[in-house]
This record gives sequence, structure tokens and C-alpha cells, in this order.
Amino acid sequence: QVQLQESGPGLVKPSETLSLTCTVSGGSISSSYWSWIRQPPGKGLEWIGYINYSGSSNYIPSLKSRVAISVDTSKNQFSLKLTSVTAADTAVYYCARGVTTFDYWGQGTLVTVSS
Amino acid sequence: EIVMTQSPATLSVSPGERATLSCRASQSVSSNLAWYQQKPGQAPRLLIYGASTRATGIPARFSGSGSGTEFTLTISSLQSEDFAVYYCQHYNNWPPFTFGPGTKVDIK
Repeated sequence: QVQLQESGPGLVKPSETLSLTCTVSGGSISSSYWSWIRQPPGKGLEWIGYINYSGSSNYIPSLKSRVAISVDTSKNQFSLKLTSVTAADTAVYYCARGVTTFDYWGQGTLVTVSS
Repeated sequence: EIVMTQSPATLSVSPGERATLSCRASQSVSSNLAWYQQKPGQAPRLLIYGASTRATGIPARFSGSGSGTEFTLTISSLQSEDFAVYYCQHYNNWPPFTFGPGTKVDIK
């Protein structure tokens, strides 16, 4: 059974960089594509971007200038960096397996942008 | 960008009744449409992909239909554990693969 677990700071100051890591267990990160999806409090879901084991990635156009997703196959992890954050980036951030549909999800981690 | 809309925003249903949820795409997405269920405090769960194929472990009371721009998720006989928010998501033209705003199914 594949399991995903997000980790990282729950509070980030405006204009700083949000950094999260997703650890995959129960399966190899080399076997699939992996995505980050976020959900502002009380709102809907927004797909951020994806990566595969070789580092091939792509991002939603509205965030492309601020986002980077990387992979560390030795640790079975992939990571999200979002620069120059504002209050609008406050959300629950999920990591998930897949690039078109998402069949395994992490539990999600709330990141609040506030000074 | 393809825009997904869902109706109704809230659906009040009694346990044991049928629930019919609608999803519309602003342009054709063929059958590249998925449905997810999300309960409070939990991550979404994949229910349906390919517009009509149930994901692993999903009960037969969940069914999906449609193609092109109009899609339906039907829950044939609502159980207590089915009260949740349901999202549709297309994965046709990329990027991005967008989600609908959701339909909340609550107890009547």
C-alpha cells in the first residue's frame, strides 16, 4: 500500500519561500508521476504541478514563475518550493501520486502565510 | 484553460435515496473526467476515472456517465458515509488539469 506524508513548516512569512517535502513509502518513487495539489481553507482544489523520477516536471501557468518541484530518488521523496508567498498561498498542501488522476494522497499539511 | 462547473452547489438527500450530481466542462474533455470524494479534514479519494470506471475498492453504488462536456455522478442509495463534498476534474488538454468547485451532499 503506497503511503505519502507531507512535512514542512506550517507558518511562512510573506515574501519568503514555502518548502514542503513528500515522503513516499510502500512503493518506489521511480514507478510513477507525482503531484502537488493545494486547497485554500473552505475552497476547492488547485493542481500545482508534477514531477517524475527523472526530474521531468511541469507547473500550472499561474504559478510557473514561483514554483519548483524536485525529486530525490535516494530518499523516495519529492519536494515543493514556492517563492514570494502571499496570504493567497495559505492552503492545505497535498502531495499525490499521478499526473492525470490521483489515486494516493498524503493527509495534507496546512501552510499559513502570515507575519 | 478549461473551466469546470458543478451543480447543484449543495444537494440535500435522505439516506437510502439516489443522488445525482452534474459536472460540465467549458469545452469537450472527451472521457477524460474523474470524480473525487472529500470528507472534512481528509484528503480527496478517487472514485471514478475515464468518466465511468470505478477506482479500486469503490462500491458499485457509485457510477459515472457522460462524455464531451456533460457528466453525471450517481450514488444509487446514499449511505451515511457518503455525505461529503464531490469534485469533478478533467485531464484532457494540459495544462492545467482543473477541478470543479464541488457539490456538497448533506443529510436532508
